[in-house]
Amino acid sequence: SQTIHQWPATLVQPVGSPLSLECTVEGTSNPNLYWYRQAAGRGLQLLFYSVGIGQISSEVPQNLSASRPQDRQFILSSKKLLLSDSGFYLCAWRWGGFTDTQYFGPGTRLTVL
Amino acid sequence: ILNVEQSPQSLHVQEGDSTNFTCSFPSSNFYALHWYRWETAKSPEALFVMTLNGDEKKKGRISATLNTKEGYSYLYIKGSQPEDSATYLCAFEADRGSTLGRLYFGRGTQLTVWP
Repeated sequence: SQTIHQWPATLVQPVGSPLSLECTVEGTSNPNLYWYRQAAGRGLQLLFYSVGIGQISSEVPQNLSASRPQDRQFILSSKKLLLSDSGFYLCAWRWGGFTDTQYFGPGTRLTVL
Repeated sequence: ILNVEQSPQSLHVQEGDSTNFTCSFPSSNFYALHWYRWETAKSPEALFVMTLNGDEKKKGRISATLNTKEGYSYLYIKGSQPEDSATYLCAFEADRGSTLGRLYFGRGTQLTVWP
């Protein structure tokens, strides 16, 4: 069976500090990978998605970046965090097949002070 | 920007009540409609994926219907229980070819079931 891991579970960072969140998927190969964020009082917003190693699509301009150095590893980064980066970050994966669902990781709660 | 609306934003019901909520989405370029259940401190759990107009899906006491022509889906919970308390999210998936399977989420309906 497939499993998706995210870490850390919670993070408190000062404004201007760097960020690295990691997501890994087990039990599958060549998944589509996604990073979402839920800011306070808002819905889930897609930040990045990837259909393969080194292939990243960005949905919204911001001070975040993503990388996919290995098939089942997806990393979300920032060089300098802003207050507005606070939120709940979810990684997700899905097969590229027909009417497949998208599976979410446990999430990271990020607070920028 | 693709708009997915959910209503109501929040709902409080007594144990045993039946309830339903709505998801509205664009009726053009439809590919699939997804429903998720999201409990506090957990990750969203997939409930249904629906693709055909008129689709009805059921999982225990939870069921969903789909109308792609008018762009809405209903989620029903029969005989609500306190463990049903969660945020229910719907997500619209547009034509797969152009969007690579990305989902557009609504803000969710937060359900609280009181014992």
